[in-house]
Formats: sequence, C-alpha cells, structure tokens
Amino acid sequence: ILNVEQSPQSLHVQEGDSTNFTCSFPSSNFYALHWYRWETAKSPEALFVMTLNGDEKKKGRISATLNTKEGYSYLYIKGSQPEDSATYLCAYQRIYNQGGKLIFGQGTELSVKP
Amino acid sequence: NAGVMQNPRHLVRRRGQEARLRCSPMKGHSHVYWYRQLPEEGLKFMVYLQKENIIDESGMPKERFSAEFPKEGPSILRIQQVVRGDSAAYFCASSPDRLLAVTDTQYFGPGTRLTVL
Repeated sequence: ILNVEQSPQSLHVQEGDSTNFTCSFPSSNFYALHWYRWETAKSPEALFVMTLNGDEKKKGRISATLNTKEGYSYLYIKGSQPEDSATYLCAYQRIYNQGGKLIFGQGTELSVKP
Repeated sequence: NAGVMQNPRHLVRRRGQEARLRCSPMKGHSHVYWYRQLPEEGLKFMVYLQKENIIDESGMPKERFSAEFPKEGPSILRIQQVVRGDSAAYFCASSPDRLLAVTDTQYFGPGTRLTVL
C-alpha cells in the first residue's frame, strides 16, 4: 500500500503569518512529487512538480522543497493572505507510472483570517 | 486555451440507471486521467487513457465501470447500473504528450458531482 500523508490536516492562521505543511511519501521508486491548490467548487490548480532531491520551487509567496531520500516535501507560504485559503494537496508519482497515476494525500486545509 | 472541460457538472441518477460523464482535455493534450473523490475521502486514481488506448485501469472497479477516449471527441466515463455508493465527485485531468512537455503536470477539470438516489 502506497501512503501519502499530509500534516497538519487543517490550519488556521492570521493574515500575515507564514506557514508550512508537510507531505510524506514512499522514498522508494520515486519519480515526481506534485503540489496542488484546491479552492472549494473549483478545479485543483497545479502549483509545482518536483523530481530531483533537493529541488526548491517558488511561485510568488509560495515555495516548496523536496527530499526524496527521506520521503518528504514542505510547502511554505510567506505572509499568508485570505485568498490563500484553500486545501493544499500533494501527490506522489512512482517511477513505474511515469506520465500517469498520481497518488494523493488527504490535503491540508488552510484558513487565513483577515 | 480553454481548460479541461467536464460535463455535466451535476448529475442525478436513480439506482440501476446509467451515468455517462464527459471530459474534453485541454487543446493539444493526448493523455486523460479520471479520479474519484468519495465523500470524506481524498482523490483516488481510476484510469489513465491515451487516444484509443487504456494505459492503466488499476483503480477502476472491476464491474459496471468503463472508460474510453476515442480518436475524435471527449473521453467518457460510463457507470452502468449505478448504486448509492457511486455517489461521488469525478474529476478528469489531462496532460500533454510527454515528448512535448517539460513536466508531467496534470491539469484538472471542475469535476462532475454524481448523486445516486
């Protein structure tokens, strides 16, 4: 069974706070790690795809790091804004499923209060 | 470039009826994926298709479910003789041909919410 775990399950922060979440995945047969942002009633929006150990990606105030040897990725949001409120999903892709199947975590639900 | 389109957005069926869910991938994308979100659960992979071929159906229930992606037209996820446990949100994603893409990003549609009465 391939488990992708995300923590915390939910997070409530004040506007301006910086925050981070964790995604844990199997370190064996790793191919890629995806991060998505999912607002209620909308499509999941792709944030990052990371493939190399030590990868760091950045998009505005959001950044992510990847450690494939120990099987974890961190997503950071600097200076959270109310519009960052969403569920953040990570998804693991195995080397046997290149270009295919994503295995999703349960997500971290972020709520940013003004 | 329009995003991934799914229709209908909401579908209500009675037990025993058939449900047909449609997905039009982004222009230029030849790979389609279907995922299901059951109530209180995360997104689960169902099937991966390329034009006219099923590549990976390891997440598809063995009975009543089928998927196709014909040469022309949208991808169809078909559920025969629906039961209440089929009530879920069904999401489609697409990605470009790997030879043309830098990454394997999958772009998601808005989903079809199926309710079985």
